[in-house]
Amino acid sequence: DSGVTQTPKHLITATGQRVTLRCSPRSGDLSVYWYQQSLDQGLQFLIHYYNGEERAKGNILERFSAQQFPDLHSELNLSSLELGDSALYFCASSGDAGGPIIEQFFGPGTRLTVL
Amino acid sequence: GIQVEQSPPDLILQEGANSTLRCNFSDSVNNLQWFHQNPWGQLINLFYIPSGTKQNGRLSATTVATERYSLLYISSSQTTDSGVYFCAVVPRRAGTALIFGKGTTLSVSS
Repeated sequence: DSGVTQTPKHLITATGQRVTLRCSPRSGDLSVYWYQQSLDQGLQFLIHYYNGEERAKGNILERFSAQQFPDLHSELNLSSLELGDSALYFCASSGDAGGPIIEQFFGPGTRLTVL
Repeated sequence: GIQVEQSPPDLILQEGANSTLRCNFSDSVNNLQWFHQNPWGQLINLFYIPSGTKQNGRLSATTVATERYSLLYISSSQTTDSGVYFCAVVPRRAGTALIFGKGTTLSVSS
């Protein structure tokens, strides 16, 4: 158990809908990262928040948004869902200043299926 | 951007065999991690190893940062070792995000 929690574990929804994925980092970690794992794209970085502020953005679609709250949990919002958004979404957290040399620990993931 | 290449892409072993997985990266890195993704999809941290050698039970890893590669050794493999092994790096020139290789799929049979 990495100490990173994600809910829900599974989510099945229809095209055009909107969903929210939730992540709680390890106790004391200020950084939260979101990654997407799909069959065709592999594991890709989406976005990084540090202590409530956006730190880095990767291949995140405009239909997707994220935020980190004062209690440090984070939410990833996916809207106008398409079939191709079906994937495993991981949250990771790291400690200290969220710099590049810090180990990242991954949650169990949320498996999203868009029908 | 940085390229992360893992080899071999697939590996089939009998229980008890040893194996070596390789990760090559095309630029300097600040962070290198090895993960095991089990059949249930969980990503398990194996090693945080930007340089040097570490051992944890039957697993060990070595990163030679100056030559831009890392090796993961699995000894006396067990069926529970099956899954996908990923190498991921944070490039020194850019950002905090882990860039993942495509993985090595390991199947261990009894």
